[in-house]
Amino acid sequence: QVQLVESGGGVVQPGRSLRLSCAASGFTLSDYGAHWVRQTPGKGLEWVAVISYDGSNKYYADSVKGRFTISRDNSKNTVYLQMVSLRAEDTAVYHCARGGLGSGWDYDAFDIWGQGTMVTVSS
Amino acid sequence: EIVLTQSPGTLSLSPGERATLSCRASQSVSSSFLAWYQQNPGQAPRLLIYGASSRATGIPDRFSGSGSGTDFTLTISRLEPEDFAVYYCQHYGSSPPKYTFGQGTKLEIK
Repeated sequence: QVQLVESGGGVVQPGRSLRLSCAASGFTLSDYGAHWVRQTPGKGLEWVAVISYDGSNKYYADSVKGRFTISRDNSKNTVYLQMVSLRAEDTAVYHCARGGLGSGWDYDAFDIWGQGTMVTVSS
Repeated sequence: EIVLTQSPGTLSLSPGERATLSCRASQSVSSSFLAWYQQNPGQAPRLLIYGASSRATGIPDRFSGSGSGTDFTLTISRLEPEDFAVYYCQHYGSSPPKYTFGQGTKLEIK
């Protein structure tokens, strides 16, 4: 079964750090670009970051640039999101999503999504 | 930066009716890079349409996408009970990579 499963969410104080994981099954994640997208409760979707299939290219939304780092371990079929200096406005459900295949890693819609992991930043 | 504006915010219809959802871009975008997603409460978004008009794998043919330039439309020809959800449009494929979502249209049962 083709799926993505996120983990690592929780409640964290402002200024602290958290690392999210996204594990793929049923397909080889290393063939694809991978994204993180967040969704605030009752609100819409905000793209956060993307990483190329081989990890050589990474791009971020302005709202998280300099604080979040996307990475991947293709031997584990897993993508990560390291979040530091967390703020209240980072509170959201974080989804990972599959991007494009191979050299088209950044030019495709998101065809597989995980259910998400909740991150709450609160003192 | 491209902004996508969806209308209406909420659409109230009955099963069997036709739904027309709009997505307007703040500047012209390539139709090759416009997608639509469906999201039910507590679930992950599901890709419906990519390239403005191509249905994703397993999507019923009652869903269709159209449009070009700044105006795009998602049409559901005959609403089924499971179609009542929130729908988002998305632009992708810019350089450097940036991915923008509309604010969503909630399709509710009348």
